[in-house]
Order: sequence, then C-alpha cells, then structure tokens
Amino acid sequence: GQNIDQPTEMTATEGAIVQINCTYQTSGFNGLFWYQQHAGEAPTFLSYNVLDGLEEKGRFSSFLSRSKGYSYLLLKELQMKDSASYLCAFMDSNYQLIWGAGTKLIIKP
Amino acid sequence: GAVVSQHPSRVICKSGTSVKIECRSLDFQATTMFWYRQFPKKSLMLMATSNEGSKATYEQGVEKDKFLINHASLTLSTLTVTSAHPEDSSFYICSASEGEIAPLYGYTFGSGTRLTVV
Repeated sequence: GQNIDQPTEMTATEGAIVQINCTYQTSGFNGLFWYQQHAGEAPTFLSYNVLDGLEEKGRFSSFLSRSKGYSYLLLKELQMKDSASYLCAFMDSNYQLIWGAGTKLIIKP
Repeated sequence: GAVVSQHPSRVICKSGTSVKIECRSLDFQATTMFWYRQFPKKSLMLMATSNEGSKATYEQGVEKDKFLINHASLTLSTLTVTSAHPEDSSFYICSASEGEIAPLYGYTFGSGTRLTVV
C-alpha cells in the first residue's frame, strides 16, 4: 500500500535551524514535493526532489533518499514568518500526489 | 511564475443552494487541474482531476452529482457544489501544473475557497 508520515507539530527558536522529516511507502515513485501552507491559505511550492541527495534553495534545503523512503526539509536562520504548516507529498506511479497531513511549525522568539 | 486564480475566496450560502467556484490559470495553459478539499488540521484530499474537454475523474467516495466539475477551456475549471449542506463546509483548493506530468516547478495552487453552509 501507500502511506506517508510526518510529525504533527514542531517548535523551534527564531534564528535556529529545524529539520522536518517525512517518510513514505509506495511501490511507484515519481518524486517528492514540499509545500508551505500558512493558516487559511493555499499551499505554496517549496521543492521537488526526484533524485537522491540534497537540493538547496536559499534558507531552505530538501533531502531525499529513495532507498529509505525518506525526505527532510531543512530550514535555516528561522524567521517568525516561517511559522506555517509544511506538507510533504510524493507522486506515485500514476502521477497522483499523495499528501502527508502536514507538520505545524511554531517559531518562538 | 505560474499563477492560478481562484474565486471566490470566501462564500456563505444557505443549505440547499448551489455554489460555483472558479479556478483560472492566468499565464499558462493547464490541460489538467486538480480539486482538493481540506478539513482543519488535515491533509489535502483529492476530490477529482479535471481534464480540459473531457469528463472529470472523481476519487472514490466523491459524489460526482454533488460536486460538478467543468473544464471548458485550457485556462478555466469550475467546481459547483450542488444542494449544499452544512457538512459540505470546508476549504476547497484547486491546483494546476504548468509543465509535464512530473513538473519541476511544482503544482501551483489557487488561493482556496472557504465555503460555509448555514
């Protein structure tokens, strides 16, 4: 079967670094997405990984290990505006997105 | 970058009435658009995949007669919630892709529609 899991909530301090993990199980895989969603708003695209390794985009980086069914989103130099939910989703063999429930990130001053 | 416009952002309607939600791709052609529903603190639930010029593909458990989807052009898809009831109250979001099936730039989401049925 298919499933995807990420922590429900995390707390971090402004200026620090936080890593949000995402594990998944699927027989067919066509990449993994990370999205940011502020309360009451639609998700915005952060990253897409289809090959193993680390992709860096400014303060945000995303890592993928296909053999382990594992990804993480790394946020550096945290700012208060980074308080949001972070959704991971993988694309299965039918090119359908399977979404995690999201990790609510709380940033404290 | 790609922009998807969704209207209205909020709507309150009486039970038994119908509500239409529009999703437009402003600067690209979207052959496929996706309609999601999201409950508070829950993940996105795919309702249907909308293909331009053909019938939408609904996910299991989604009533096609209740949630009417039309994709009349490459830039417009609509979702009509017919005979709405309070349990239909939710956050509805559309998304579209600018690229191929496995886009490098991700799926772009509309701003969402908060539907409240009273």
